[in-house]
Amino acid sequence: QVTLKESGPALVKPTQTLTLTCTFSGFSLSTYRMRVSWIRQPPNQTLEWLARIDWDNDQFYSPSLRDRLTISKDTSKNQVVLIMTNMDPEDTATYFCARSGGPWNYFDSWGPGMLVTVSS
Amino acid sequence: EITMTQSPATLSVSPGQSATVSCRASQSIGTNLAWYQQKPGQAPRVLIYGASTRATGVPVRFSGSGYGRDFSLTISSLQSEDFAVYFCQQYNDWPPWTFGRGTKVEMK
Repeated sequence: QVTLKESGPALVKPTQTLTLTCTFSGFSLSTYRMRVSWIRQPPNQTLEWLARIDWDNDQFYSPSLRDRLTISKDTSKNQVVLIMTNMDPEDTATYFCARSGGPWNYFDSWGPGMLVTVSS
Repeated sequence: EITMTQSPATLSVSPGQSATVSCRASQSIGTNLAWYQQKPGQAPRVLIYGASTRATGVPVRFSGSGYGRDFSLTISSLQSEDFAVYFCQQYNDWPPWTFGRGTKVEMK
């Protein structure tokens, strides 16, 4: 059974750096074609893909946010970390981590998400 | 970046009736399209991938079709648990992977 869960601060101040951790089980990120992405959803809005890290450590970023994002993995701990710098109130959203695998790039398993509020 | 345009924004349907949600890509994406269902306070759940393949455990009343730029998700005989928001997502041209703005299927 594949599970993912996001953790991190629920509240950050403007200009601060956000660090989110995705802890997963039921698969390994060292397995061929396994990938983990971060996706966010502002309140009552659509989904926005942010970043992805692959089994071979390839990393992909949203072009509009790439200057602020860093994604990394710790395969031994089954964790993926997302760092987002210079947080703004417009970054208030529910942040999800999600898995994709195989030859497809859709998201077959998701964490429950965590709401991050940016406010002073 | 590929833009995904969903319609309608809201669909009012009576239980037992069918509902069709449309999604158009700004350029051809073949069959590299997925549909997700999201209920309040929950993460999205994949329903369809490859434009028409149901994900594991998805009821047969959910069906997807389309190729190229135009796609649709049909829910036949709506059940109470089907009232939710539905998103399409393209995975043909990336990054970024992009989603539609969502269609809320509500009870009439």
